[in-house]
Amino acid sequence: EPEVTQTPSHQVTQMGQEVILRCVPISNHLYFYWYRQILGQKVEFLVSFYNNEISEKSEIFDDQFSVERPDGSNFTLKIRSTKLEDSAMYFCASSAWADSNQPQHFGDGTRLSIL
Amino acid sequence: QKEVEQNSGPLSVPEGAIASLNCTYSDRGSQSFFWYRQYSGKSPELIMSIYSNGDKEDGRFTAQLNKASQYVSLLIRDSQPSDSATYLCAVGSMNYGGSQGNLIFGKGTKLSVKP
Repeated sequence: EPEVTQTPSHQVTQMGQEVILRCVPISNHLYFYWYRQILGQKVEFLVSFYNNEISEKSEIFDDQFSVERPDGSNFTLKIRSTKLEDSAMYFCASSAWADSNQPQHFGDGTRLSIL
Repeated sequence: QKEVEQNSGPLSVPEGAIASLNCTYSDRGSQSFFWYRQYSGKSPELIMSIYSNGDKEDGRFTAQLNKASQYVSLLIRDSQPSDSATYLCAVGSMNYGGSQGNLIFGKGTKLSVKP
C-alpha cells in the first residue's frame, strides 16, 4: 500500500538554527499538509499546499516557516530560526483530490528536538 | 474558533467488550469526519471516515454520525489488547474555495483493553 514517507525520523538542532523536514507524499496525491503535535497535546494544522502554492495556513505558521515542493516528489517544511517551543512531532499528510471528503494519510513523522 | 471535543479517558474495557468513543464538534457546516488511531510515539492511522448521517461499519469498527447533534462516535466490537491506543476524532474544515481544508483534531481518547 502506498504511504507517505518522512525524513529524518529524528532531528536534533540547536536553537536559532534552520531545519528542513522532508516528505514524499503518496505519488498520485494532489493535496499536501503539515501538522505538528507537541508532546501530550493535540495534533495541530500548520499548512496545506495545492498546485504549488499554499492553500491555507494556521496562526502557528508564521514567517519563520515555509514550505516548498522543489521537485515532483518532495514536499519540505523549513523552519528558519528554531525556538525551544518548536520541539514537537511534525507530520506530513497527503490526500488524493481537491475534495473535502478525501481522507488524509499521514507519514510516520519527524521528531524535532530543539536544544 | 472551530473545536472538536473528546473525553481524554482513559477508557478501560475488558477484552471482548464493546468500546464506545465519542466526539462533538462546533462547526455546524462540517462535512467530513474521520477517526484515527495513534499508538504512543507513532503517527495517526486512519481507521474510518464518515460523511452522512447514520452508521458506517467496517469490520469490528462502526462509525456513527449525527449532524443535527454535531456528534460522532466510534464503536469497537470484540475489543482486543492490540486496540489499546489513543483514538483521535478529526473533522474536515472546508476552506473558502470549497475544497479540501485542514483537519481539526480532538485531543483524543486513550483506550485500554485489558486481557
